[in-house]
Order: sequence, then C-alpha cells, then structure tokens
Amino acid sequence: QQPVQSPQAVILREGEDAVINCSSSKALYSVHWYRQKHGEAPVFLMILLKGGEQKGHEKISASFNEKKQQSSLYLTASQLSYSGTYFCGTERRDDKIIFGKGTRLHILP
Amino acid sequence: DGGITQSPKYLFRKEGQNVTLSCEQNLNHDAMYWYRQDPGQGLRLIYYSQIVNDFQKGDIAEGYSVSREKKESFPLTVTSAQKNPTAFYLCASSTRQSEHNSPLHFGNGTRLTVT
Repeated sequence: QQPVQSPQAVILREGEDAVINCSSSKALYSVHWYRQKHGEAPVFLMILLKGGEQKGHEKISASFNEKKQQSSLYLTASQLSYSGTYFCGTERRDDKIIFGKGTRLHILP
Repeated sequence: DGGITQSPKYLFRKEGQNVTLSCEQNLNHDAMYWYRQDPGQGLRLIYYSQIVNDFQKGDIAEGYSVSREKKESFPLTVTSAQKNPTAFYLCASSTRQSEHNSPLHFGNGTRLTVT
C-alpha cells in the first residue's frame, strides 16, 4: 500500500538539481510532499490535487500525473537548507494519507 | 500560537506495561492521525480519526488503541500486545479532510523506548 519513492538517497553539491519520484498502484485524489530534518517533525511543502497541476514553493516544485498515479518533486539550485528526508503521502478515497519510505537528500557545500 | 503538542518527548517503559502517549491540538482541526516512524520505514499509519467519537484503523493498528472523546485530544495507548513498541511516534492533524486538500500539521513526536 505504501507509495514507492525513488531514489532512496541522493547526494548533491549546493546548486545542483534533484528529482524525487513517488508512485502508487492505487487511484489517488492527492499527493502530499513533506520534508523532515533529523529528529524533527515533518514539515509540509505542498499538495498536488488530481488534475495534473504543478505547484511551486521557493525553488521546489512538483507535478502530479493522475493517469500514471505518479508525482515528482523538483529541487532546483539546491541549498544547504534543503537537506533532509523527503516523504510523499498519497491520499485515496478513504481519506487515509499513506507515506512512502522517504528519500534522504544530503547537500554538500 | 496554535499547534500540536505531544508529550512527553522521551518515554521509557518496561516490557509488558501499557503506555499512553498524549496528543493535543488547538488548531480546531477535525482530523487527527497517529504515525509510527522506524528507520528506513517511513511514516506508517496506526489510527486516524475524522470526527469526535469515531476513529479507524490504519495499516499497523495491532497492539495499539486510541480514543477521541474531545476534538482537541487523540491519545494513543501502546499495549503490551505490541511486539516491537520502541519507535518514534508522530501525531498529526488536519482540517476539512473530506476535500482531500488539507495538509497535515505534525507534533514534535514522542520517542518511546521499551526494554
């Protein structure tokens, strides 16, 4: 039931770009993206509703392909503050939000 | 400021004891959730509640129990039946959940260690 995230981990140098993918085998109503720093609570980034829209947050944006049940998170010109673990959460008809296992992102100066 | 408060931050218990984790929110949110986080496993849903006096099992409800007697409170009891209770527990809430566009607001978590 968990959505599948890829890659599991990414190491970048500051200023490089990254893409994190999230896919589900079930029909989705929405996809959530969160970032968690070590030892802290996850922080909301954005929600993508079905309809294929793309949203942005600073230099972080995301897309949702409803037909493929896939979402991608794009991090452009990464900053040191982007380090952390990124989780996608998928929401279906029953209103449960199920999270993937996360993608660890480490930004090097 | 509004938010979600989880207490305590760290909790230690002996095996065989039940323990209750507190979660309180003053955001006037309808829905509340409990997730368990283990290394490499992401956030796994234990229980969730969309309204007072109603709650549903998540994917890993065995060995846990909850109550939702008040809108602000959603305590989680880890019973002795839970095989591997040591974990980081996160409580979350959201508003107007039926519209499928409500972000989750998380508490700071409780790290439970059972020995």
